[in-house]
Amino acid sequence: KNEVEQSPQNLTAQEGEFITINCSYSVGISALHWLQQHPGGGIVSLFMLSSGKKKHGRLIATINIQEKHSSLHITASHPRDSAVYICAVENYGGSQGNLIFGKGTKLSVKP
Amino acid sequence: NAGVTQTPKFQVLKTGQSMTLQCAQDMNHEYMSWYRQDPGMGLRLIHYSVGAGITDQGEVPNGYNVSRSTTEDFPLRLLSAAPSQTSVYFCASSYWGGAEKGNEQFFGPGTRLTVL
Repeated sequence: KNEVEQSPQNLTAQEGEFITINCSYSVGISALHWLQQHPGGGIVSLFMLSSGKKKHGRLIATINIQEKHSSLHITASHPRDSAVYICAVENYGGSQGNLIFGKGTKLSVKP
Repeated sequence: NAGVTQTPKFQVLKTGQSMTLQCAQDMNHEYMSWYRQDPGMGLRLIHYSVGAGITDQGEVPNGYNVSRSTTEDFPLRLLSAAPSQTSVYFCASSYWGGAEKGNEQFFGPGTRLTVL
């Protein structure tokens, strides 16, 4: 069983829709990261969460430590949001900066 | 700042050849790492370094060597390339950004390697 599971694997949405991507993990963590991988391959960090909720523009990330679950929401989705969204966790007690990655969720937003 | 740079962007090797993937960062980050990304799988850690002169193995280290002689550079060496090493390789660096940002991650653009 993978330590970090994401759902769905693929997601197609119409422009303007509210989108939710889920991440569940089975290990104790010190932090959870949401990353975005552009169609060209580049990876950028969106959020780091250790508790609660963060918001940046149209993106909202939440984490429930007790349930070992995190969600990434995109409000008013746009075709430029089309990308692979990756959840990654820092294993508690692991070496600083080492991440365990989910397989990613490929999002396609149609105009 | 250039951030994290990787060279080359693309490389084709024959089985048994050796090569070095270059990675450099100009942000003075202590932590650097190499990942490989394969279809249908998440990124997997190959090797990492918590500072100059210190390296350690990750999840999939076999067939790869690293060294960290300076804070800026973290090259990845393929000793004798095999088709199973066909992948996209990402170098990353991070620093502790405090309680708000945690270990903020910065990724290079990737190197697409094909081993024939």
